Amino acid sequence: RKEVEQDPGPFNVPEGATVAFNCTYSNSASQSFFWYRQDCRKEPKLLMSVYSSGNEDGRFTAQLNRASQYISLLIRDSKLSDSATYLCVVNMGGGLTGGGNKLTFGTGTQLKVEL
Amino acid sequence: NAGVTQTPKFQVLKTGQSMTLQCAQDMNHEYMSWYRQDPGMGLRLIHYSVGAGITDQGEVPNGYNVSRSTTEDFPLRLLSAAPSQTSVYFCASSRVGETQYFGPGTRLLVL
Repeated sequence: RKEVEQDPGPFNVPEGATVAFNCTYSNSASQSFFWYRQDCRKEPKLLMSVYSSGNEDGRFTAQLNRASQYISLLIRDSKLSDSATYLCVVNMGGGLTGGGNKLTFGTGTQLKVEL
Repeated sequence: NAGVTQTPKFQVLKTGQSMTLQCAQDMNHEYMSWYRQDPGMGLRLIHYSVGAGITDQGEVPNGYNVSRSTTEDFPLRLLSAAPSQTSVYFCASSRVGETQYFGPGTRLLVL
């Protein structure tokens, strides 16, 4: 089983649609959670952190369910510019800094927003 | 403030050749790391460092060496390139426990 699993997609949605991505992780001791966005042939960039209480940033809402070990990302009113690959990222702890920065990435979910 | 820079952007090597991928950051970040990204595999951690003189292995360290002589620089060395090392390599940096910032990547093809 992969440590962080995502549906690879692609998700093809019309502009204005609402779309949701889910991600599951294997390590129940994982410490922090993120969604990154990666455009084609570019570097990943942080979209938002994911907090236990859920958090929202404009059209984007992230939620965490520790009991079920999954993370979700909801995008409302999709824009053409939202087309990208969305990476689920988990800090599972361990390492020299006691887990300060070792990230495990999912393979990403591709989103294509169409006219 | 240039952020995280990587050189070269593209490189073609023959099997057995050696090379160094350069990574530099000007944000005074303690933590730096190298990832490789392959289709269907996601980003995988190769090596990381929590400060000058301190490095550790990640998930896929074989075939790669690193050193951290300064806070700013974290080069990745391929001692004897193999076709399996064909990939896109990303360097990242951050303060410990904070968001990682990625460089633009190096695309490496090993023939």
